[in-house]
Amino acid sequence: DAGVIQSPRHEVTEMGQEVTLRCKPISGHDYLFWYRQTMMRGLELLIYFNNNVPIDDSGMPEDRFSAKMPNASFSTLKIQPSEPRDSAVYFCASRGTGGNQPQHFGDGTRLSIL
Amino acid sequence: AQSVTQLGSHVSVSEGALVLLRCNYSSSVPPYLFWYVQYPNQGLQLLLKYTTGATLVKGINGFEAEFKKSETSFHLTKPSAHMSDAAEYFCAVSGNSGNTPLVFGKGTRLSVIA
Repeated sequence: DAGVIQSPRHEVTEMGQEVTLRCKPISGHDYLFWYRQTMMRGLELLIYFNNNVPIDDSGMPEDRFSAKMPNASFSTLKIQPSEPRDSAVYFCASRGTGGNQPQHFGDGTRLSIL
Repeated sequence: AQSVTQLGSHVSVSEGALVLLRCNYSSSVPPYLFWYVQYPNQGLQLLLKYTTGATLVKGINGFEAEFKKSETSFHLTKPSAHMSDAAEYFCAVSGNSGNTPLVFGKGTRLSVIA
């Protein structure tokens, strides 16, 4: 079975540019999560969706960050404009219904803002 | 509110020695508990989970964990460490409802010395 698929795996861009990260969740999963991981802050939950609807975006650091889920099989996380402090690994995860369901993670996008 | 405490941000063991990674949780509802492993440049991978039933849970790669309600603990063990076990390990507890994300600990980095 295909897992959570993220693209690109690596992204290097200059400060001020728009960055778009993409995620395809596991088919049938109705929850989707975006995380950011850095050495300093560890694993941070940015936003999560249920049935394509954003439920909690309190972890989104600034208005420069936005996330969408136009359908059940696709989500994007956008940073505009990007800054060097946004450099991190961004993970997408998905889950089925129920608190006993584990979250399944993608391999992440390693983002470097120069 | 749910929370997870992982004792020791870094644990070092010799190859062949017992691995013990500690996790204590706080939960306002009966918890579901999870251990994840993260290898370098990869996403988090589910090692094992406790939902209901038997309190000793076996996972992949020879790991197991025991749910102890009286101690609010879910420690991860492996009888004999292998070099390939070197990774970051995260303990997580379910949210306070089936509609909320997992709450993760800060992680424990396991080093295995030859």
